[in-house]
Amino acid sequence: GAGVSQSPRYKVAKRGQDVALRCDPISGHVSLFWYQQALGQGPEFLTYFQNEAQLDKSGLPSDRFFAERPEGSVSTLKIQRTQQEDSAVYLCASSLGVVFYTFGSGTRLTVV
Amino acid sequence: AQKITQTQPGMFVQEKEAVTLDCTYDTSDPSYGLFWYKQPSSGEMIFLIYQGSYDQQNATEGRYSLNFQKARKSANLVISASQLGDSAMYFCAMRDGGSNYKLTFGKGTLLTVNP
Repeated sequence: GAGVSQSPRYKVAKRGQDVALRCDPISGHVSLFWYQQALGQGPEFLTYFQNEAQLDKSGLPSDRFFAERPEGSVSTLKIQRTQQEDSAVYLCASSLGVVFYTFGSGTRLTVV
Repeated sequence: AQKITQTQPGMFVQEKEAVTLDCTYDTSDPSYGLFWYKQPSSGEMIFLIYQGSYDQQNATEGRYSLNFQKARKSANLVISASQLGDSAMYFCAMRDGGSNYKLTFGKGTLLTVNP
């Protein structure tokens, strides 16, 4: 596609529920990134994929967060047993290299 | 330690005037890159301009220019001839040699352009 597509656009989850957030990167983009943006803050790095390999997951806040990109294209960020502090916008970005990203519009997750 | 500091939570500017959004950074790495992004209410982060630490000249992209003062560790964004569509959050970000792919963002500045 022309841009990075994220779905759903909005997600409301009850505390303790599992959620899955999807990212469709720009076709041919090797690198894929996930960032978390809390309300009133700048985005914070979560994880980085090069093709299907997850090269850096140092930003994932806890073992409840898991990301995958099994075929080197679409990626899914999964959050298990959601908690209120997980409420944020989750941004996905892709890139041919690693320097200049194209971001998606994000998924706004609200945990109630 | 905070790597990117944006001290202006909000800024107002009249349409057609210029505005400067401040950004200071902290790194001990001689090789780094500085970015500015625009985030409208739709949520997408839009890349505006990039400055590499070894670039001799200040970066410019249309109405955007980056006032890079290396000794002061500042990378202010200047928007000339503001338009109503410039109203958005603006984020300064840095990538340093410690990680050539990871961006560290500031907290952002909300710019409002008044007609």
